[in-house]
Amino acid sequence: EAQVTQNPRYLITVTGKKLTVTCSQNMNHEYMSWYRQDPGLGLRQIYYSMNVEVTDKGDVPEGYKVSRKEKRNFPLILESPSPNQTSLYFCASSPTWTSGVQAGTQYFGPGTRLLVL
Amino acid sequence: AQSVTQLDSHVSVSEGTPVLLRCNYSSSYSPSLFWYVQHPNKGLQLLLKYTSAATLVKGINGFEAEFKKSETSFHLTKPSAHMSDAAEYFCVVVYKLTFGKGTLLTVNP
Repeated sequence: EAQVTQNPRYLITVTGKKLTVTCSQNMNHEYMSWYRQDPGLGLRQIYYSMNVEVTDKGDVPEGYKVSRKEKRNFPLILESPSPNQTSLYFCASSPTWTSGVQAGTQYFGPGTRLLVL
Repeated sequence: AQSVTQLDSHVSVSEGTPVLLRCNYSSSYSPSLFWYVQHPNKGLQLLLKYTSAATLVKGINGFEAEFKKSETSFHLTKPSAHMSDAAEYFCVVVYKLTFGKGTLLTVNP
């Protein structure tokens, strides 16, 4: 089954304790991205990756890191989480970046709900 | 620069009545436009997409949207709302992926 998986689905942590949220897709997609969703703000892109070893900042990258060492995986790293990073996080993938239609046809993971105390 | 504006943060309709969710965009490029739906506690699902092949686009679950370049709009409609349509809906414009802030649709029995 074609899908995007995220782990963990729920996470409670404390300020400053490094954490990683994993994201994996099995569709051989080139483009992957991370979003956070906050009430009243919609989805905001954190980082995106156009292919292996190619990543770039989205609209709200501060406090986050990513890496793309393999095509299927795109982990999100919070080196020193803070309470303002409490949010619902979504990973998404799409076939390619070169076509607007294909780039916008995104497959979303189920979400990771993070609470930073 | 590009942006997308969903004109209503919340729309409430009665079951069986029409649905209209409004979206306006601005883009320096010929845009690709999308609507996504998010049901409670679920991820986002693609509802429909505008690919420039036809200005009226049909999606899943009876939804459709019409691209109007002169009005820079891409409003989402459905002739008759169903209880299962209650969800949050996001309009998206691509070149750089930009999401609207969402419209929460509630359907009253």
